[in-house]
Amino acid sequence: GEDVEQSLFLSVREGDSSVINCTYTDSSSTYLYWYKQEPGAGLQLLTYIFSNMDMKQDQRLTVLLNKKDKHLSLRIADTQTGDSAIYFCAERRGGGADGLTFGKGTHLIIQP
Amino acid sequence: DAGVIQSPRHEVTEMGQEVTLRCKPISGHNSLFWYRQTMMRGLELLIYFNNNVPIDDSGMPEDRFSAKMPNASFSTLKIQPSEPRDSAVYFCASSREPSLHEQYFGPGTRLTVT
Repeated sequence: GEDVEQSLFLSVREGDSSVINCTYTDSSSTYLYWYKQEPGAGLQLLTYIFSNMDMKQDQRLTVLLNKKDKHLSLRIADTQTGDSAIYFCAERRGGGADGLTFGKGTHLIIQP
Repeated sequence: DAGVIQSPRHEVTEMGQEVTLRCKPISGHNSLFWYRQTMMRGLELLIYFNNNVPIDDSGMPEDRFSAKMPNASFSTLKIQPSEPRDSAVYFCASSREPSLHEQYFGPGTRLTVT
């Protein structure tokens, strides 16, 4: 199966909270990241969390990490039309492997 | 800072031709990564360098692909000969290891091989 798994689509109403979920398989992962990609653009680093943390908050973004279940989530409060994009979860594994392993991305669709 | 710079932004070529993609990492960054994005396979790491030395090239699809980093401010990814299945968006990213682990991505090169 996939090393990093995400749902392909998420639809939310403008003003509601969006919660994008991700599961990973490597328990030695050191950092986990969330990237945002808008159409035709590159990947923008949104936030990251170190593996010994369980929560990180940055303005409208909240990252939750459940290391036991290897589950990561990104919550976007007060979702706006500008948040419409593909969100990628990525893990950086331990053991000196520096490249990132990405999920397939979740398309966040905002309904008016 | 200008961020990671990639060129060209778009490349259309015929099967069998040589393609060279270029990347300039963020100044001061010592690690450089090449990724490929396709609809079917998503984002895949091809190769990465640390202090200009290739560390892991296990993601390079086959011998038609090669990458170099002659100095700290420039890297190339070459495909020779190119095939239609190489059509993808190729991203370059850089970071400053180990203190600043975050990888910053360039805008990508969209390659179309006909």
